[in-house]
Amino acid sequence: AQSVTQLGSHVSVSEGALVLLRCNYSSSVPPYLFWYVQYPNQGLQLLLKYTTGATLVKGINGFEAEFKKSETSFHLTKPSAHMSDAAEYFCAVTSAGSYIPTFGRGTSLIVHP
Amino acid sequence: GAVVSQHPSRVICKSGTSVKIECRSLDFQATTMFWYRQFPKQSLMLMATSNEGSKATYEQGVEKDKFLINHASLTLSTLTVTSAHPEDSSFYICSAPREGVNTEAFFGQGTRLTVV
Repeated sequence: AQSVTQLGSHVSVSEGALVLLRCNYSSSVPPYLFWYVQYPNQGLQLLLKYTTGATLVKGINGFEAEFKKSETSFHLTKPSAHMSDAAEYFCAVTSAGSYIPTFGRGTSLIVHP
Repeated sequence: GAVVSQHPSRVICKSGTSVKIECRSLDFQATTMFWYRQFPKQSLMLMATSNEGSKATYEQGVEKDKFLINHASLTLSTLTVTSAHPEDSSFYICSAPREGVNTEAFFGQGTRLTVV
């Protein structure tokens, strides 16, 4: 079984500040990890993913995440928040051969001017 | 890149009527597609797995007679909400996997269903 915990349903930052969205996972098999972004009334857009290889993964829009097996974490960061980053972010876990991610509950990122 | 198109993006219907939502994979074939439901401020809940050429597989608690799924071709799956009621109002999202080395499912844009 797999599960995802996203700490904090809401994260509020000032424009230009560091963004840190936390994600911890549980998996009995090697995980594939994803971060998705969802804007209001839209589907999910893949930000980045980790499957194998380099543990620091760079994605779109300046986001990156680091897979830390010892901490079972896959936190999402961005050095400088932009107003357009305000959205809902979902961390998800799956594994090789599975196309059905287990999603976290989501974190709403609020960016203040 | 792979694209999944979902239509319509918004629909308003009267109670008792049926609504069909389409999910298309535009540049790849998908023998399997997935349908999710998302309640406000919540995560995605898997409703069912749509299988081309065979019956859909429904998750526990999802009424198969209420949510009819048809996977007519390798690029099209449809979800029909039958005899819709206000409690069926929700955001519905489909996804389709592109089989390959890296497991990844691509998501449609979602459909906002409002039943009045």
